[in-house]
Amino acid sequence: GENVEQHPSTLSVQEGDSAVIKCTYSDSASNYFPWYKQELGKRPQLIIDIRSNVGEKKDQRIAVTLNKTAKHFSLHITETQPEDSAVYFCAAREGGGADGLTFGKGTHLIIQP
Amino acid sequence: EADIYQTPRYLVIGTGKKITLECSQTMGHDKMYWYQQDPGMELHLIHYSYGVNSTEKGDLSSESTVSRIRTEHFPLTLESARPSHTSQYLCASSLAGAAGELFFGEGSRLTVL
Repeated sequence: GENVEQHPSTLSVQEGDSAVIKCTYSDSASNYFPWYKQELGKRPQLIIDIRSNVGEKKDQRIAVTLNKTAKHFSLHITETQPEDSAVYFCAAREGGGADGLTFGKGTHLIIQP
Repeated sequence: EADIYQTPRYLVIGTGKKITLECSQTMGHDKMYWYQQDPGMELHLIHYSYGVNSTEKGDLSSESTVSRIRTEHFPLTLESARPSHTSQYLCASSLAGAAGELFFGEGSRLTVL
């Protein structure tokens, strides 16, 4: 099965600085890579996703990059704001599979004022 | 409003009790999932379903069981709860076909004394 490693487990950055979270995956057949944000006491919600036919995707202050050869993908948040404080999860899944996403262990992002 | 609903949100019970966590979605999704989220925030897939009368075990072994008699309903049952079952349980759903967004419920936090 798929195995997803996520680093770091905790990341503290100054407000306005950039934050980068990195993930690696093991199954070369995986071709869907979403990122979820979970605020304290709330449900996880999708913030951005990328499919394997694309190397980079951007949505305002967040971007995701994918390197299929190296089997790693990263989340980049620029101009961080207090509301970015949350736990972020990367995930991977083989396309067409119904057997759920395999998640990384999560990164607790703390934005220091 | 289309959403995914979980009840109860919080449950405290004694060892040996039978419990059922309810999950219903009004999004018309075929695929449904149960994830267990431990205190360290990691998400583990315990059950999933392709559609009516389909149930599969996930990556993490669980003593719970599920049923899918109706498309919109995916309850999880523990026949005899133990303290080791104390956790947050998140239900999710997604469209069938190509890999797509997972929509989560707000979770059921179970404490077994």
